[in-house]
Order: sequence, then C-alpha cells, then structure tokens
Amino acid sequence: QVQLQQWGAGLLKPSETLSLTCAVYGGSFSGYYWNWIRQPPGKGLEWIGEINHGGTTNYNPSLKSRVTTSVDLSKNQVSLKMTSLNAADTAIYYCARRAIRGVSFTPLDLWGQGTLVTVSS
Amino acid sequence: SSELTQDPAVSVALGQTVTLTCQGNSFRSYFATWYQQKPGQAPLLVIYGQNYRPSGIPDRFSGSASDNTSSLTITGAQAEDEAVYYCNCRDFRGYNLIFGGGTKLTVL
Repeated sequence: QVQLQQWGAGLLKPSETLSLTCAVYGGSFSGYYWNWIRQPPGKGLEWIGEINHGGTTNYNPSLKSRVTTSVDLSKNQVSLKMTSLNAADTAIYYCARRAIRGVSFTPLDLWGQGTLVTVSS
Repeated sequence: SSELTQDPAVSVALGQTVTLTCQGNSFRSYFATWYQQKPGQAPLLVIYGQNYRPSGIPDRFSGSASDNTSSLTITGAQAEDEAVYYCNCRDFRGYNLIFGGGTKLTVL
C-alpha cells in the first residue's frame, strides 16, 4: 500500500525558512506530480505548488517568489522550502500526489498526514 | 477570474439527498474534483473527472456539471458524511490548482 510520510520543523520564527520533506513508500515515484497544499487553522485549503520526477514545477503565483520544491530520486522524496516566513504562514502543510495523464487534470488521490507549522516569535 | 465559489454551510436530514455546488469559470474547460475532510484528518478524494469514485467511496456520492457549476450529490446522507467538502480544479491558465472555500455539511 502506497503511503506518503512527511516531516519537518514545526515551530519557526518570523523571517526563517520552512523546510518539509515527503517520502513515498511502497509505490512508484515517477509518473506523478507531487503537490504541496496548506491549510491555516480553521480555514480552507491553499495550493502551494507541484513538481514531477523530472523536476518540472508549477507554483501558486501568490507564493512563487518564496517557494522552492525539489526531488531526490534516490530516496523517493520531495521537499518544500518557503522563505521569509510570517505568522500568516502558520498552517498544516500536506503533500499529495496526482498522476500525470498528458494534459489532463488529474485528482490528488493520495495525501500525507500533514505537518503543523507554527510561525511565532 | 480564477476562483471557485462554494456555499459555506449546508445541512441535510439523515437519509435525505443533498447537492453541494461549486461555481467557477474553470468548469467550462475542466471537471471538478471533490474532497471530503473530517476534523483532524487529511482531505479524502471522493469524486473526480466526469463522475468517477475512487475505490472505497460509497456509490451514494456522485458528481455532475453544467455550464460554470459543478455539483456533488449525496443520495441518502449518512451521519458519517458530516464533513467539510472542497471542490478543486485548474485555473483558467491550466497550470495552477485552485480550491473552493469549502462547504461544511451537517447531517441532522
């Protein structure tokens, strides 16, 4: 059974950099876009961006200047970095996958457990 | 515009049918996907594409679309269906994903 396991620092100070990793266990790494989505406490979902096994990325225009994603094919892992954090970045961060089917819009069919990141001085 | 609009809250009596809607220009080009999120859990895919359900999703969940509106229908709502439901699609550029604000469904 394919699982996504994610981890990273949970408490950061303003201006610091968020760093999260998501590992894929029990399944293929290629053939998918690996997405990051966040959810502020009590609020809705916000898409951050995605990366495929070849390193092609798409980012939310509102976050693009602060976000970087990368892949480690040897470990089947994807990583998210977000710079210049502020309190508004406090959220649960999820990784999720969606299959690559040409230009078709495919669903986020598998999600990680989420990581709560709190930005506070 | 690249927005998806959902009603913030909807209620349904146990066993009755309820339809949740999501409005957006993206639906002129793409089908919506729908996610169910219960407290303390990650979102769960319930409907995608024209009207497809992942394995394990009950057949009381169905999807449809018309013009700029996508809909999720639960036929015979159960207590365990109480959750927040999010719609999701690509934006008009076709590269970015967008989510609706979510509909909190209460089963009475």
